[in-house]
Amino acid sequence: DQQVKQNSPSLSVQEGRISILNCDYTNSMFDYFLWYKKYPAEGPTFLISISSIKDKNEDGRFTVFLNKSAKHLSLHIVPSQPGDSAVYFCAAKSSGTYKYIFGTGTRLKVLA
Amino acid sequence: NAGVTQTPKFQVLKTGQSMTLQCAQDMNHNSMYWYRQDPGMGLRLIYYSASEGTTDKGEVPNGYNVSRLNKREFSLRLESAAPSQTSVYFCASSEVPGGEQFFGPGTRLTVL
Repeated sequence: DQQVKQNSPSLSVQEGRISILNCDYTNSMFDYFLWYKKYPAEGPTFLISISSIKDKNEDGRFTVFLNKSAKHLSLHIVPSQPGDSAVYFCAAKSSGTYKYIFGTGTRLKVLA
Repeated sequence: NAGVTQTPKFQVLKTGQSMTLQCAQDMNHNSMYWYRQDPGMGLRLIYYSASEGTTDKGEVPNGYNVSRLNKREFSLRLESAAPSQTSVYFCASSEVPGGEQFFGPGTRLTVL
């Protein structure tokens, strides 16, 4: 039972354009969400988070949107750069727990 | 400031052998975690330690034991390795339980 789903295994985007990575979840108790970026042979690196009391959080080129009614979040990267090429994971947890559930990841390739 | 370090980087074991994966963090974080990453599965939590002196099971604890040796160090032990434990293992830490996690570079383990 995959509670956090990233249905697109891969995505290619032209440099300078917008990258949109999607994440769906099934557990309505999830109230805190994270995005991580992972380069090959390295550990994941924290990118941005969002709490369920917000519907948007922005940090430089990265914006995360949360649609609680649809149980959907998305990560927007604008403008995309070749250095953004990596695997992106979303993760979610519910209040009162320390455990994050991770999605399976989306591999982003930004073409120069 | 090295962040989260893991040893070894690579390991090959035979079925039935035992080994301990080491993890240390120098960020004075209270919580530490062990994950495994398998193709198509995302990251799955094996064990975590919310604070020094406590450990709890995650999603996939069977076949593993952990020790929170002190605030800095959190080790993962495989008593009798099985081919199903072939995976990439990541250690992570967070300042508070459930906070943003900082990951180590990973240990690639192969069990023959």
